[in-house]
Amino acid sequence: GAGVSQSPRYKVAKRGQDVALRCDPISGHVSLFWYQQALGQGPEFLTYFQNEAQLDKSGLPSDRFFAERPEGSVSTLKIQRTQQEDSAVYLCASSFTGVINTIYFGEGSWLTVV
Amino acid sequence: QKEVEQNSGPLSVPEGAIASLNCTYSDRGSQSFFWYRQYSGKSPELIMSIYSNGDKEDGRFTAQLNKASQYVSLLIRDSQPSDSATYLCAVMLDFGNEKLTFGTGTRLTIIP
Repeated sequence: GAGVSQSPRYKVAKRGQDVALRCDPISGHVSLFWYQQALGQGPEFLTYFQNEAQLDKSGLPSDRFFAERPEGSVSTLKIQRTQQEDSAVYLCASSFTGVINTIYFGEGSWLTVV
Repeated sequence: QKEVEQNSGPLSVPEGAIASLNCTYSDRGSQSFFWYRQYSGKSPELIMSIYSNGDKEDGRFTAQLNKASQYVSLLIRDSQPSDSATYLCAVMLDFGNEKLTFGTGTRLTIIP
């Protein structure tokens, strides 16, 4: 498809389990972002890549969260030892760098930690 | 104080009326401002962007920016039931970093 693709769309994890969330950005998009959106809240920035370089990871809430984009296209957000407070929608977005209006969001991965 | 503040609503507006959504931001150096629409269970969708003081119109939507007051608004004319959604205000600090800071969103309901 032409949009940002995320998988899985829905994930139920037991507390303490590790999860991996995948993002396929729009082809040719250099910048890739991860946001976390809790119920009833706006998206909160987690981290930002340009190609394979992670330029900003200031929003990652703890060292249990790790993101990578090794070849500058697909990205994975990994959450280790999940906690209930990690339950949220994880949104991936991508854009052409320097073209401000081209930030497009994926449908999100809904994570529920039980 | 949150960096981007919005009234969470819900805001109810009769069909055909003007819906007015407001947003304030704390960082005076912010450069770019965006309004996203988010339907329940869906991803945010960009509907307006504005970079300089004044008004910017696109169809039924008008964005207004006042950097001195650190205030940005969105007007929706001739509101339709399909406009019922959560509207997110987002701010980009500078052109060199594309990170967006979002408000909590205003839930808008258009009453037929």
